[in-house]
Amino acid sequence: GNSVTQMEGPVTLSEEAFLTINCTYTATGYPSLFWYVQYPGEGLQLLLKATKADDKGSNKGFEATYRKETTSFHLEKGSVQVSDSAVYFCALRIPNFGNEKLTFGTGTRLTIIP
Amino acid sequence: EAQVTQNPRYLITVTGKKLTVTCSQNMNHEYMSWYRQDPGLGLRQIYYSMNVEVTDKGDVPEGYKVSRKEKRNFPLILESPSPNQTSLYFCASSLSDTQYFGPGTRLTVL
Repeated sequence: GNSVTQMEGPVTLSEEAFLTINCTYTATGYPSLFWYVQYPGEGLQLLLKATKADDKGSNKGFEATYRKETTSFHLEKGSVQVSDSAVYFCALRIPNFGNEKLTFGTGTRLTIIP
Repeated sequence: EAQVTQNPRYLITVTGKKLTVTCSQNMNHEYMSWYRQDPGLGLRQIYYSMNVEVTDKGDVPEGYKVSRKEKRNFPLILESPSPNQTSLYFCASSLSDTQYFGPGTRLTVL
């Protein structure tokens, strides 16, 4: 079946540090890949996405590249801010007619200290 | 403002007492879905609906019911809640590749 594996958290970084959160996947077919962010007390928000191999998704300084050869979609940011503290979820979806189900990783809690 | 709303946000109840969590979206999306979030497990899909009167099971449907009588509403029903249904529940609606999530309902079943 389809699955997503994220690096274990929690991750604590100082402000302006470089961030990488690893994500690898197993999927039948050709998945679309996503990063969602969950701020405290809120629902999930789409951060970025990529729909085919070698696509790069980017938003708010975050980037992730769809690597089919390594089945990975690692999240990166060059200089994190305190406001980036949240839980980050990697997810995939197999495009088909019908269920739009997202398969999620377990989430990585990120804390940025000033 | 485009949004998905859920009510209640917090609920503490007892085993066996029927409850309904409401979900409503104002984006005219055809697809809606319910997930539960548990520590170490991420989010798992409970039920989904592709359109009015069309619903189907997700990965963890046991103990839950849904209905879709109107496009905007997709309530989650727990006929006889049990403690293992204590969780954080999210409703989502979808257009193409993007899913929009509600703020969540934290349910505790004693």
